[in-house]
Amino acid sequence: QQQVKQSPQSLIVQKGGISIINCAYENTAFDYFPWYQQFPGKGPALLIAIRPDVSEKKEGRFTISFNKSAKQFSLHIMDSQPGDSATYFCAASIKGSARQLTFGSGTQLTVLP
Amino acid sequence: DAGITQSPRHKVTETGTPVTLRCHQTENHRYMYWYRQDPGHGLRLIHYSYGVKDTDKGEVSDGYSVSRSKTEDFLLTLESATSSQTSVYFCAISLGQGQETQYFGPGTRLLVL
Repeated sequence: QQQVKQSPQSLIVQKGGISIINCAYENTAFDYFPWYQQFPGKGPALLIAIRPDVSEKKEGRFTISFNKSAKQFSLHIMDSQPGDSATYFCAASIKGSARQLTFGSGTQLTVLP
Repeated sequence: DAGITQSPRHKVTETGTPVTLRCHQTENHRYMYWYRQDPGHGLRLIHYSYGVKDTDKGEVSDGYSVSRSKTEDFLLTLESATSSQTSVYFCAISLGQGQETQYFGPGTRLLVL
């Protein structure tokens, strides 16, 4: 049973545009929500993460928006660049569960030059 | 890669044979994890370890066993490989105050014929 649903499956954006990837979760016990970026042939790399006590977190061109009541969170990539072309995964974990990560199914982002 | 190495990086094997994948870390982290990555499923947890000889099952543990006899090594064994176990396998360690941040190794690509 997938507890974190991610959309869209693929996304094509023009250079300079905004990329938006959405995730929804079911388990209200989740208390940590990271996003990972993965390039072909590489392991996932932590991009940015948020806890549910804040509604937004920004690091450079990357922003997480968090809506606790709707049980949704999203990744916004501002001024998207061709180098951002990668697969992005949202995830969630619960404190005290050895921090097992439950991942979304991934979004393949292509930024056209 | 937070000092994580995986071996082998690529392996081709035949159905019914046992296979062992190795994850090695150099920084004495307590928590280690094995995930598999398949298209459309994101990453799914197979097993994890919270110390030497302390392991537990994840979401997709059937057909897999693990061992951790030293802090630095976490082994994943496919007892009798099947074609459904063709996948990319990632090892991860956790960092952070609450062990919530996971860093991934480079992965092992396994093909079971």
